[in-house]
Order: sequence, then structure tokens, then C-alpha cells
Amino acid sequence: RKEVEQDPGPFNVPEGATVAFNCTYSNSASQSFFWYRQDCRKEPKLLMSVYSSGNEDGRFTAQLNRASQYISLLIRDSKLSDSATYLCVVTPPGYSSASKIIFGSGTRLSIRP
Amino acid sequence: EAQVTQNPRYLITVTGKKLTVTCSQNMNHEYMSWYRQDPGLGLRQIYYSMNVEVTDKGDVPEGYKVSRKEKRNFPLILESPSPNQTSLYFCASSYPSGGAGNEQFFGPGTRLTVL
Repeated sequence: RKEVEQDPGPFNVPEGATVAFNCTYSNSASQSFFWYRQDCRKEPKLLMSVYSSGNEDGRFTAQLNRASQYISLLIRDSKLSDSATYLCVVTPPGYSSASKIIFGSGTRLSIRP
Repeated sequence: EAQVTQNPRYLITVTGKKLTVTCSQNMNHEYMSWYRQDPGLGLRQIYYSMNVEVTDKGDVPEGYKVSRKEKRNFPLILESPSPNQTSLYFCASSYPSGGAGNEQFFGPGTRLTVL
């Protein structure tokens, strides 16, 4: 079983729609959680950290469910510029997220006009 | 401008010919890492470094070497490249802020093809 699993998609949704992704992780002692965004053939960039209480950044909301070992990302009022691959990232126990992070293989999102 | 740079950006080589991919960051970060990205497998960590002269293996270190002689530089060395090392390589840097989340800053990537 992979340490971090994501639905690869692609998700193809119309502009303005709300879209949600889930990601599951296998190690219950994992410490910190993130969503990164990767545009085609570009480097990954941090989208947001995911906190236990849930957090929101504009149109983006991230949630963590430790009991079920999944994190989610909700994008409201999607824009064409949201088209990208979204990477779920987990820090394994015993490590700092500055040193070691585990990536999911990513979920592709395509927003159509 | 704060950034991580990698060179070369594209490289085609042949099996067995030693190569080095350079990585440099200008943010005075202590931590640096190398990843490879392959379709369906995502990004996997090759090696990381916590400071000068301190390095450790990631998840897929076989066939690679690294060194950290200066804080800003973290070169990736392939002593004898093989076709299964054809991949997209990313260097990243970070600093331990002490909080729950430390962002990793990635370079633009190096696309390597080994024939």
C-alpha cells in the first residue's frame, strides 16, 4: 500500500464549479500535512498547509481527518487558472517537514470555460 | 530574488557517462533535498541534507551520490547513469521554522534522459 494515495483524475469541471479532492495516508503517526500545486512541467509550489482544525485561504479549504487518515481540499468558484495537478504531502513520524516529506502521485484538475 | 537554481535544465547522455546536476539556493536555507518525478509514482526523495557535511538517504538513493560542502550548493552525482534513471529531477530547500509546517522551495527541474 502506498504511503499517500490520491485519485489521479483527471477531474474535468466547468468554470465556477466547486471541486473536492481527498487523499489518504497510511501512517497514523504522520505529523504534518500539505497541499502543493504543480503546473504542467513546472516545479511544485506550496498551496497550503493543513491543520487539524481545518483552514481556509480564499477559495481553498483544507481539512484533516486523523481518525480516518485522510485530508481533503475543496476549491470553490473554480477558475481556469486552477487547472493544475494537486499533490497531497505528508511528513512521516520522526522527521521535520523541512527534511522529509512524502508525496502522493497527484490529482489532475482541468477547468473548462 | 529568492530562488533555487538547477543546471542543466535538460540533459541527454549515454549509459555509464558520469554526470553532475548542480543545485544552488540563495535563501540561506539549512535543508536541501533531491527528488525524482516519474509518471504514476509521484515525487520520491533521493537524498537530503540538514546542513553542511550532513546528508542522509531518502527513499530511492541507489545509483546517486550527493555532497554538501557549502550551505548554498547541493550537487547530485550520477557516477554511472543507467536508462532507469531517466526522469525529471527537482532540487528543493527549506528551513526548520519550528512550527507545524515548513515549506520546501523547489528548483525548476532537470529533465534527464539516459540512452
